[in-house]
Amino acid sequence: ILNVEQSPQSLHVQEGDSTNFTCSFPSSNFYALHWYRWETAKSPEALFVMTLNGDEKKKGRISATLNTKEGYSYLYIKGSQPEDSATYLCAFHNTDKLIFGTGTRLQVFP
Amino acid sequence: ETGVTQTPRHLVMGMTNKKSLKCEQHLGHNAMYWYKQSAKKPLELMFVYNFKEQTENNSVPSRFSPECPNSSHLFLHLHTLQPEDSALYLCASSYTGDFSNQPQHFGDGTRLSIL
Repeated sequence: ILNVEQSPQSLHVQEGDSTNFTCSFPSSNFYALHWYRWETAKSPEALFVMTLNGDEKKKGRISATLNTKEGYSYLYIKGSQPEDSATYLCAFHNTDKLIFGTGTRLQVFP
Repeated sequence: ETGVTQTPRHLVMGMTNKKSLKCEQHLGHNAMYWYKQSAKKPLELMFVYNFKEQTENNSVPSRFSPECPNSSHLFLHLHTLQPEDSALYLCASSYTGDFSNQPQHFGDGTRLSIL
């Protein structure tokens, strides 16, 4: 059974704080790692698709890193804003499957 | 219209009913997917269609029957469902069925409740 673990499960931060969370995945048969943001009552929105060990990607205040040898990816949010409140999902592409984690639920308080 | 549209948004049905979920994408994509999200569980891939051909059936019970008449439309036909099938069903599309460099574009989902 392939497991994708995300931590923490939930996170509460103040507006302006920077934060980060982790996605752990099997280090064998790695093809790609996806990150999505899922706001309540909306559809999941793609943030990044990462394929190379050492990849770093950035979109505004959000960035992600990838370590395929040890099987983890970090998502960073700089200067969190209330509109960043959402569940952040990662998904591991292994051969022909895309396996999702249960997500990190972020709440940013003004 | 843009993006991935799913109908209905909510569906309540009895165990003996037959209903269908519909998904439509206007992104020019060639691959479409059905996912299931049960409470407290991760998104679970059910079916993959690539250029209208089914390429993945993730051990889904036969009471779920997908149909992909063309690259823009995807249906999930439901019959004789069980209470544990109550969940959020998400449709997604991507340019091709290659997860390696193609993000998934999701619809808003259908919230299904089985009485």
